[in-house]
Amino acid sequence: QKEVEQDPGPLSVPEGAIVSLNCTYSNSAFQYFMWYRQYSRKGPELLMYTYSSGNKEDGRFTAQVDKSSKYISLFIRDSQPSDSATYLCAMSASSGGSYIPTFGRGTSLIVHP
Amino acid sequence: DVKVTQSSRYLVKRTGEKVFLECVQDMDHENMFWYRQDPGLGLRLIYFSYDVKMKEKGDIPEGYSVSREKKERFSLILESASTNQTSMYLCASSPPGEDGGYTFGSGTRLTVV
Repeated sequence: QKEVEQDPGPLSVPEGAIVSLNCTYSNSAFQYFMWYRQYSRKGPELLMYTYSSGNKEDGRFTAQVDKSSKYISLFIRDSQPSDSATYLCAMSASSGGSYIPTFGRGTSLIVHP
Repeated sequence: DVKVTQSSRYLVKRTGEKVFLECVQDMDHENMFWYRQDPGLGLRLIYFSYDVKMKEKGDIPEGYSVSREKKERFSLILESASTNQTSMYLCASSPPGEDGGYTFGSGTRLTVV
């Protein structure tokens, strides 16, 4: 079993839909949870960052962490064609004071007009 | 905004050549990382560095070396390029302490022929 599992998609939705992207993980030591967005031929950019369990909202984006189920989600409301990208989840735990995240393989999202 | 700049967007090199990939960040971050990204395999950590002149092997260091002579610059060296090193190479940096996520560069698409 991989440490972080993420469905590669592609996930195709119409403009305006609510999108749910998910990752599961096996390492209960993970404390920091991140979502990155990567446009084609670009580097990933940090979208959302949460520590431990709970929800975090930023505009149309909501990140949710359920540590008891080892499950994290990213919700996108009122999705736009400009949201079309690959979304990578990442998570990390402290190891001697350093943090090396484990990345999911990414989910490709296509929002069509 | 933190900027991580990779010197080349696209490179084509011949098998056996020594290749240098340069990365510079402008936010005084201690931590710098080199990843490669391949379809279906996701991001794989090659090397990382927590300070000047320090380096640590990641998951796939074979065939690569790194240099960090100055805090802002982290170079990836392919000692003798091979076709299986054709990939997207991504540099990232982060501050020390808790994991607030990486800032990635735009990537270098390297083709070895």
